Amino acid sequence: DAGVIQSPRHEVTEMGQEVTLRCKPISGHNSLFWYRQTMMRGLELLIYFNNNVPIDDSGMPEDRFSAKMPNASFSTLKIQPSEPRDSAVYFCASSFSPGDGQPQHFGDGTRLSIL
Amino acid sequence: AQSVTQLGSHVSVSEGALVLLRCNYSSSVPPYLFWYVQYPNQGLQLLLKYTSAATLVKGINGFEAEFKKSETSFHLTKPSAHMSDAAEYFCAAYGGGADGLTFGKGTHLIIQP
Repeated sequence: DAGVIQSPRHEVTEMGQEVTLRCKPISGHNSLFWYRQTMMRGLELLIYFNNNVPIDDSGMPEDRFSAKMPNASFSTLKIQPSEPRDSAVYFCASSFSPGDGQPQHFGDGTRLSIL
Repeated sequence: AQSVTQLGSHVSVSEGALVLLRCNYSSSVPPYLFWYVQYPNQGLQLLLKYTSAATLVKGINGFEAEFKKSETSFHLTKPSAHMSDAAEYFCAAYGGGADGLTFGKGTHLIIQP
């Protein structure tokens, strides 16, 4: 079975540019999560979707960050404009019924570097 | 809200020795608990999970963890370390509601030959 697929795997861009990260969750999963991982702050939950609806976006750092889930098989995380402090590894994860203890399955992440 | 504490950002053991990675959670209601492993340049991979069934949970790669409600702990163990176990290990808790998983800071496991 295909796991969570993220693209691109690596992204290097200059500050001020728009960055779009993409995620395809596991088919049949109804929950999708975006995380950010840095050495200083560890793993942080940015936003959580359930049935394509954003449930909790309290972890989104600021208005420069936005996330969408137009359908059950695709989600994007956009940063506009990007800043060097946004450099991190961004993970997407999906799950079926996390409220029932089903685990989250993670993609391999997008390593983002903002110069 | 949940909080998860992993004691020791780095743990070093000799190959063949016991591995013990500590995790404590805070909650008045036993949550769902997970251990994940992360190898360099990869995503997190589920090792095992506790979902209020047996308190001793067996996972992949010979790892197991024991849920102790009285100690609010969910420590990860492996009887005999292998070089391939060197990685970052994360304990996580799901407390229900609209929250996602709450992760600990991670423990970097180093295996000495």
